[in-house]
Amino acid sequence: AQSVTQLDSQVPVFEEAPVELRCNYSSSVSVYLFWYVQYPNQGLQLLLKYLSGSTLVKGINGFEAEFNKSQTSFHLRKPSVHISDTAEYFCAVSLGNQGGKLIFGQGTELSVKP
Amino acid sequence: EAQVTQNPRYLITVTGKKLTVTCSQNMNHEYMSWYRQDPGLGLRQIYYSMNVEVTDKGDVPEGYKVSRKEKRNFPLILESPSPNQTSLYFCASSPDYAGVSNEQFFGPGTRLTVL
Repeated sequence: AQSVTQLDSQVPVFEEAPVELRCNYSSSVSVYLFWYVQYPNQGLQLLLKYLSGSTLVKGINGFEAEFNKSQTSFHLRKPSVHISDTAEYFCAVSLGNQGGKLIFGQGTELSVKP
Repeated sequence: EAQVTQNPRYLITVTGKKLTVTCSQNMNHEYMSWYRQDPGLGLRQIYYSMNVEVTDKGDVPEGYKVSRKEKRNFPLILESPSPNQTSLYFCASSPDYAGVSNEQFFGPGTRLTVL
C-alpha cells in the first residue's frame, strides 16, 4: 500500500534561518508528488508539485523541493524563512491510475520565531 | 473568482441529527472529493466523484453519504452523526481525474463538532 511519512510533526525555526521539511513515501508505482500549505483557519494551497522531468522543483513563496527516487523522498526547503511562513505543511502523493486520489502525510507544523 | 466554497464553515450539532455540508465549485471541474483532517493523521479521503452521477468510496467512508447530481455541487451528508465524526472537513476539486496535473483545489473547510 502507498503511504506518506512526514518525519517531523513540528519544526521551530528562527526568522531568516534555512528550513527543511522532510517527506518520504512508499509506492510500487510511479507517483506524482505535491506539497500543500495550510495557513491558520484556511484551506490548503498548492506550494509545488513534481510530475516528471527535473528533480528540483521550485514553487511559490521561495520554496523548492527535490525528488529523490532512490531514497523515495521529496523534502521541502527554503533558504530563509519569514514569520509569514508559519503554517502547517502537507506532503502528498497522487496515483495517476487511481482517479486522482491524494494520499497525505501527517503534516509538519512550521513555527517561525522572530 | 475561481473557488471552492463550503457551507457552513462551523457547525455544532448533537448525535443523531442529520446534517448536510454543501460544496460548490465554479471551475467546471470534473473531479470532486471530500477529506477529513484530524490531528496527527493528516487528511483522509472520505468519498470522491469523477463526474456527475459517478461517486466512489475513499479511505474512510463509514457514516457518510454523497451525491453528485450537478457538476458544480458535491454535498456531504451525515445521516446520523456521532462524536467520532467531529473533525475538520475539506472539499476539493480537480480539472480531471486522469490528467497529468492532478492538482486539487481546496475549499476553506468546515469545522464540525458532534456532541
